[in-house]
Amino acid sequence: DIQLTQSPSFLSASVGDRVTITCRASQGISSYLDWHQQRPGKAPKLLIYAASTLQSGVPSRFSGSGSGTEFTLTISSLQPEDFATYYCQQHKSYPLTFGQGTRLEIK
Amino acid sequence: EVQLVESGGGLVQPGGSLRLSCTASGFTFSDHYMDWVRQAPGKGLEWVGRTRDKGNSYTTEYAASVKGRFTISRDDSKNSMYLQMNSLKTEDTAVYYCVRVSKSYNLDCWGQGTLVTVSS
Repeated sequence: DIQLTQSPSFLSASVGDRVTITCRASQGISSYLDWHQQRPGKAPKLLIYAASTLQSGVPSRFSGSGSGTEFTLTISSLQPEDFATYYCQQHKSYPLTFGQGTRLEIK
Repeated sequence: EVQLVESGGGLVQPGGSLRLSCTASGFTFSDHYMDWVRQAPGKGLEWVGRTRDKGNSYTTEYAASVKGRFTISRDDSKNSMYLQMNSLKTEDTAVYYCVRVSKSYNLDCWGQGTLVTVSS
């Protein structure tokens, strides 16, 4: 199975900050990497697919990059609604796997 | 508007069975692969399995943790997918999400989830 390791697992930041979350894969997955956002008590929501493509309706302050084994999710200027948990997920091979999540909290 | 609505969750004893349903609307259900993903209380996301479409003979894939105990099926005439869960264990306690798979194999639309609690 392909393991995804996110760092950090927990992040405290302020409104307006720029934050970056990293996702590392245990083997190369090309660009078969997506990012999901989960607000407290809600279902996850697809943010970015194919490592760097914004899902329709997602604000442009979100961006993704990377390929192979290292990927990043960047939020350029945090807004109050961005405080949530973020998961990377690979679909290069079965079983699909998720990172352990990065919880982003307000400082 | 794309909607996925799960139902069938509840409390079941270890060793018991439960069947979850997912009803879709707002898109052509038969054109899409569909997945189940679960989330144990306070934990991260775990992929459970997938059903492919008619063109791919409705074949399925499963996570090792549920293979042989869980069965995914679908009824395109009812725009519905099902998860039959047998031999349930306490570690199967989770919110179960129904998820649409896009043509690019992304999990692009999630239901609101249904809670399954396995406890004596």
